[in-house]
Amino acid sequence: AIRMTQSPSSLSASTGDRVTITCRASQGISSYLAWYQQKPGKAPKLLIYAASTLQSGVPSRFSGSGSGTDFTLTISCLQSEDFATYYCQQYYSYPAVFGGGTKVEIK
Amino acid sequence: EVQLVESGGGLVQPGGSLRLSCAASGFTFSSYWMHWVRQAPGKGLVWVSRINSDGSSTSYADSVKGRFTISRDNAKNTLYLQMNSLRAEDTAVYYCARDVGFEYYMDVWGKGTTVTVSS
Repeated sequence: AIRMTQSPSSLSASTGDRVTITCRASQGISSYLAWYQQKPGKAPKLLIYAASTLQSGVPSRFSGSGSGTDFTLTISCLQSEDFATYYCQQYYSYPAVFGGGTKVEIK
Repeated sequence: EVQLVESGGGLVQPGGSLRLSCAASGFTFSSYWMHWVRQAPGKGLVWVSRINSDGSSTSYADSVKGRFTISRDNAKNTLYLQMNSLRAEDTAVYYCARDVGFEYYMDVWGKGTTVTVSS
């Protein structure tokens, strides 16, 4: 199975900061990558699919880029409601695999 | 409103069985693939199983293959996960989720139901 590695595993940031999270696949996955946001005690929420396409209703401060093995999720101006854990997920091949998550905490 | 509501979680002894349900509403359930994804306490998301729209095709993570069975009743708009031979490592919150459309990623998630396997 393809392995998905996220970095960092956690980060501290302040409201208004620009935040970048990376996700690396163990083999090429083209653009078959999704990003999710999960808040404590809540279900995951789809943010981005096809590596860079914003899901309907997701604020434009979120963006995704990359293809092949290296991907990034960027939050351009961190808001209070963005403090959460973020997961990448590949859907290029079976089985679907999630990254280990990146927890974005308040500095 | 598109909604998924899981039920059936609880405390079960190792080796026991449990059946989870997921009631769907607000969309044409029979048109969508569905998934189960789990999350152990303090850990990340792990895909468990997928079923196609008419129930004729299923797939499983290696960790649950032969022990878990996914099924659906499109007349009742309900997804199921039958879990047998449960182990401590199956302890997790189990989410049902809707596939976006034959893609293996998910755009609608339920709130989850908690399964605890312990003696």
